[in-house]
Amino acid sequence: EVQLVESGGGLVKPGESLRLSCGPSGFTLSSYSMNWVRQAPGRGLEWVSSISSSSSYIYYADSVKGRFTISRDNAKNSLYLQMNSLRAEDTAVYYCARDPAGDPQGYFDYWGQGTLVTVSS
Amino acid sequence: DIVMTQSPDSLAVSLGERATINCKSSQSVLYSSNNENYLTWYQQKPGQPPKLLIYWASTRESGVPDRFSGSGSGTDFTLTINSLQAEDVAVYYCQQYYNLPYTFGQGTKLQIK
Repeated sequence: EVQLVESGGGLVKPGESLRLSCGPSGFTLSSYSMNWVRQAPGRGLEWVSSISSSSSYIYYADSVKGRFTISRDNAKNSLYLQMNSLRAEDTAVYYCARDPAGDPQGYFDYWGQGTLVTVSS
Repeated sequence: DIVMTQSPDSLAVSLGERATINCKSSQSVLYSSNNENYLTWYQQKPGQPPKLLIYWASTRESGVPDRFSGSGSGTDFTLTINSLQAEDVAVYYCQQYYNLPYTFGQGTKLQIK
């Protein structure tokens, strides 16, 4: 069974940093592109970032470009999102989501349960 | 960016009836070289992550009941849920993957009348 488990969320102050992790199971991480998608409380979905299976292709939403860094360690079967210079508008549930291919297709066939990031002073 | 606009924002349908949700993109998401529409539909139940229902505008994901169907091409798309069941209460989102950034519609909340 495919599962994605996010961790690392929490309460931070504006300007601080946080690192999210995603640990998949039930499939070989190295074969798939992976993504982060967020959802502010009571709001819709916003794509944040994508990384191809070999890390050759990396993409970011303009809202996080220069502040967030997506990475993966296929040997450790893990996906990461380093979030720096956090702002109140980054407050959201962050989902790890699998793309069905090695190079990004752009849609997401499996999602984790999400981890909540709250940015507040 | 491609703007995705769903209608209605919410709707209430009786059990056993048909629900129809529309999604319009600000530009075509039909890729001429492969004649595919880069459009998906997701279902999100309260307290849960989204679940993939439909991709390539009309291909049902494995395990999704056949009462869910997707149609449309270019800029106008429809998600149809036939014979509505109580477990279909959710927010439904369309998403385009034709261009970066990938963008979602604002969501349509489906309730039972």
